[in-house]
Amino acid sequence: GEDVEQSLFLSVREGDSSVINCTYTDSSSTYLYWYKQEPGAGLQLLTYIFSNMDMKQDQRLTVLLNKKDKHLSLRIADTQTGDSAIYFCAESTGGFKTIFGAGTRLFVKA
Amino acid sequence: DADVTQTPRNRITKTGKRIMLECSQTKGHDRMYWYRQDPGLGLRLIYYSFDVKDINKGEISDGYSVSRQAQAKFSLSLESAIPNQTALYFCATSEGSVETQYFGPGTRLLVL
Repeated sequence: GEDVEQSLFLSVREGDSSVINCTYTDSSSTYLYWYKQEPGAGLQLLTYIFSNMDMKQDQRLTVLLNKKDKHLSLRIADTQTGDSAIYFCAESTGGFKTIFGAGTRLFVKA
Repeated sequence: DADVTQTPRNRITKTGKRIMLECSQTKGHDRMYWYRQDPGLGLRLIYYSFDVKDINKGEISDGYSVSRQAQAKFSLSLESAIPNQTALYFCATSEGSVETQYFGPGTRLLVL
């Protein structure tokens, strides 16, 4: 069945780059997403990538997609304490359903 | 004003009680969803609705029911609450081919 996996924790120093990784199983995914959840709030879309793209850059965010290995990553350049949150990888598998990973909690040390 | 609102934000109830969680949206989206979030498990889909007349079960619908009263309103009910339904519940809406989901702030439910 469809599954999205990601590591649960990542700790980085302020100013360093953060790389959050994700693997998915459904090769027919059309869109892959990164959502951010701050404490006490719902998820908010950070960025998404269409499945026929390899890379997407949006300011400090870079998304890389390796379709062959079904691997998605999110790189945050110059990580700030305000980037501390839970980051969810997700895939849209068609039929307007989205499968979410368990979320990676990013800790940013000052 | 928030586009997707949920009430209540926090609820404590006892085993066996019936409770309802409500969701309203002003985004005009047809598609609405209910998820639960548990630590380490991410979001799991409970029910989803593509319009007022369309209700579908998600991966963990047992013990839950829903009602789509209008395009803007989608309610989740726990008919007889049990402790393992203690979780954070999110309502979401979506539209378009990109299928971006817009989440409410969540309802934290504790079943004693």
